[in-house]
Amino acid sequence: AQSVTQLGSHVSVSEGALVLLRCNYSSSVPPYLFWYVQYPNQGLQLLLKYTTGATLVKGINGFEAEFKKSETSFHLTKPSAHMSDAAEYFCAVTRSSGNTPLVFGKGTRLSVIA
Amino acid sequence: DAMVIQNPRYQVTQFGKPVTLSCSQTLNHNVMYWYQQKSSQAPKLLFHYYDKDFNNEADTPDNFQSRRPNTSFCFLDIRSPGLGDAAMYLCATSRAGQALETQYFGPGTRLLVL
Repeated sequence: AQSVTQLGSHVSVSEGALVLLRCNYSSSVPPYLFWYVQYPNQGLQLLLKYTTGATLVKGINGFEAEFKKSETSFHLTKPSAHMSDAAEYFCAVTRSSGNTPLVFGKGTRLSVIA
Repeated sequence: DAMVIQNPRYQVTQFGKPVTLSCSQTLNHNVMYWYQQKSSQAPKLLFHYYDKDFNNEADTPDNFQSRRPNTSFCFLDIRSPGLGDAAMYLCATSRAGQALETQYFGPGTRLLVL
């Protein structure tokens, strides 16, 4: 079985500060990992994904994440927070083989303070 | 633009009155998913279609059913909505056969049960 743990249900940063959202996963097979963002009353938008190859993945809006197998982590970062980054962020995992639906973490709400 | 469309965006129903939510896609994806998302929680998979094959999650209540008359459309039927079914319902699609398993989400339908 696969699972995702997002540390911190709410993270608050100042505008211009580093954003770090933590995600740890559990998977018995090589995982595919995703970060989605959800703005209020909207669906989920894919930020970035890791499948194979380079472990540092760059996504939209200046976000990136690094897959660390030894730490079973896939933390999301952005060097400088912007007010428009305030949203809910979900980490998700699926198996790299087969057609398996995503398993989501509980989400982290990011607040950006002016 | 290719996309996932959900109608209506907001739906109000009465306790026990059947309601149907719809989803359409122009991505020509063969997999379609329905998720339930309650306030401040992660999306919870209800079921998904792999082409015409229906896959029900073990803990999805019998009150929830789905139809997929063709590749483009998928419906979520709630036979007798209860107050606990008030939530955001998200439709998503993906293309099976590509190991990426990237899911594309619609904007969601927010259901209110009076």
